[in-house]
Amino acid sequence: DAKTTQPPSMDCAEGRAANLPCNHSTISGNEYVYWYRQIHSQGPQYIIHGLKNNETNEMASLIITEDRKSSTLILPHATLRDTAVYYCIATYSGGSNYKLTFGKGTLLTVNP
Amino acid sequence: GAVVSQHPSWVICKSGTSVKIECRSLDFQATTMFWYRQFPKQSLMLMATSNEGSKATYEQGVEKDKFLINHASLTLSTLTVTSAHPEDSSFYICSAPRTGLQPQHFGDGTRLSIL
Repeated sequence: DAKTTQPPSMDCAEGRAANLPCNHSTISGNEYVYWYRQIHSQGPQYIIHGLKNNETNEMASLIITEDRKSSTLILPHATLRDTAVYYCIATYSGGSNYKLTFGKGTLLTVNP
Repeated sequence: GAVVSQHPSWVICKSGTSVKIECRSLDFQATTMFWYRQFPKQSLMLMATSNEGSKATYEQGVEKDKFLINHASLTLSTLTVTSAHPEDSSFYICSAPRTGLQPQHFGDGTRLSIL
């Protein structure tokens, strides 16, 4: 898996958009970018993934730069329940049967 | 709803006891499951890959005789911490991938405390 770099922590006001950056400058052409989050004392929760194009689902949007060296996870309207550690992972095989390597992630704190 | 079930969610036991943790895929078959360990304020560390019908693959530094893994069926993997000691106290999490490009699904974890 390509190494990813994320800021250790970020703050966001409730109701505002949270933009979480991830650097993956050594990503290979067939590696996907996956985002998971972990709320305290729970297992990680899948958020979104992508290869080249921007992606959106009911939880978030994923913006991948054209050179694929970085990406941004966007939570459009953060709530207090979005407070969690967010992990960006670059991996082969779409994260299916391939083991995931978790970095330190970004602790997002959503403030009232 | 949850697609991977982990049991028990927490356990407290005495030093020297063996503890079994179950990981079940609820609505799909998983020939591979992963076991992670997480110490307080640290990230998840992969311990081993559980393979249905064959031996588990352990990450470097993980004692296979201490952490016994059995992938009994296509929906069940178990992790047994043998002769547990206080340093084995941790948060243990399993995951199971679906096929293709689907993401992995994680259990809710098991908090193990050894007294």
